[in-house]
Amino acid sequence: GESVGLHLPTLSVQEGDNSIINCAYSNSASDYFIWYKQESGKGPQFIIDIRSNMDKRQGQRVTVLLNKTVKHLSLQIAATQPGDSAVYFCAEIPEYGNKLVFGAGTILRVKS
Amino acid sequence: EPEVTQTPSHQVTQMGQEVILRCVPISNHLYFYWYRQILGQKVEFLVSFYNNEISEKSEIFDDQFSVERPDGSNFTLKIRSTKLEDSAMYFCASAGGGVSNQPQHFGDGTRLSIL
Repeated sequence: GESVGLHLPTLSVQEGDNSIINCAYSNSASDYFIWYKQESGKGPQFIIDIRSNMDKRQGQRVTVLLNKTVKHLSLQIAATQPGDSAVYFCAEIPEYGNKLVFGAGTILRVKS
Repeated sequence: EPEVTQTPSHQVTQMGQEVILRCVPISNHLYFYWYRQILGQKVEFLVSFYNNEISEKSEIFDDQFSVERPDGSNFTLKIRSTKLEDSAMYFCASAGGGVSNQPQHFGDGTRLSIL
């Protein structure tokens, strides 16, 4: 039968503004988290990661914040550019094992 | 920058036929993975492979699926008798070794269409 796709949340931002993409993860025992960017027709592209012993990590134009108390992860993109338009996924790795468990994704649209 | 490469980019196969999806992971990586993404849905884990054996597999990865690392560079996913519901994007990923988790790097996928 036909699959029903997920209705992904969409964040629309003006070029140059900052973007914040949020993710709630499921497993309190997860100890490693990654943000991926997926453009149309491409595979997930690694952006930034964070381990559970940290609450913040910065990269080039991106910052990841981890709040273990409420099982919340966010990705902040500074000075958003049209090339940032994509679907963004958070992913977690549970305490034992090394498979990625992906979230549903957020569509980021950047308006010029 | 090293990358994971997958072939073919699109595979069209009749239901019931066997299909082999191929991947060349990043050369010094030790952990290899297959994931799939049905159109409009989440990326789902299928299987992980380390030290020439499966280290973890999901419920999706049933007896119709198998993986192999036939030489030092290729990593393949075989679906023995394809079903309509196997239609999806299949992504290969690899990660380096080490004491703690390393980020998994993905290829651009193979679109599998079962007719």
